[in-house]
Amino acid sequence: DGGITQSPKYLFRKEGQNVTLSCEQNLNHDAMYWYRQDPGQGLRLIYYSQIVNDFQKGDIAEGYSVSREKKESFPLTVTSAQKNPTAFYLCASSHRNQPQHFGDGTRLSIL
Amino acid sequence: QKEVEQDPGPLSVPEGAIVSLNCTYSNSAFQYFMWYRQYSRKGPELLMYTYSSGNKEDGRFTAQVDKSSKYISLFIRDSQPSDSATYLCAMSEGSQGNLIFGKGTKLSVKP
Repeated sequence: DGGITQSPKYLFRKEGQNVTLSCEQNLNHDAMYWYRQDPGQGLRLIYYSQIVNDFQKGDIAEGYSVSREKKESFPLTVTSAQKNPTAFYLCASSHRNQPQHFGDGTRLSIL
Repeated sequence: QKEVEQDPGPLSVPEGAIVSLNCTYSNSAFQYFMWYRQYSRKGPELLMYTYSSGNKEDGRFTAQVDKSSKYISLFIRDSQPSDSATYLCAMSEGSQGNLIFGKGTKLSVKP
């Protein structure tokens, strides 16, 4: 089945710890995106990548890092510099000139 | 003024009712408009995708865009309990532009 797979579904972070969220797609999409969703808030863009080995900051990139070494993979690292990391993280991908499609998210909480 | 305004609801309707969901926006450069449906603990699912002004129909769903009023709507006919979800509007300037999301309207359809 074609789609976007995010793992893990739930993740817990200790103080001072970096954690990495996985996003894999088998749709052959060029572009991939990371969003953060807080209760009662719209989605906010963290990072996006239009092609392999290239990515740009979104509106709330501070405290996050990404890599795009393969077309199908776009992992997000939540660093210890992100002081309020508790949120629902959503990965999306799209073909050129097409709308974005989303994975089912990772819920990150602080221990 | 926020770029995209969406009434968060919650909105509760009886089964079979016609539902109207709306967003207003301030950026006249927006040309691409989307509606996503998000079930609890899931990622957003693309429902409708429209370019510029006009109507688009897909089954029980109709999307309307009025660029002169900076207003978009999603109508759901013969609403079903399975339509109970949060509905997010999103829009962008270009086909690959960054999406700006509304905060979402939570809809509950009662049997």
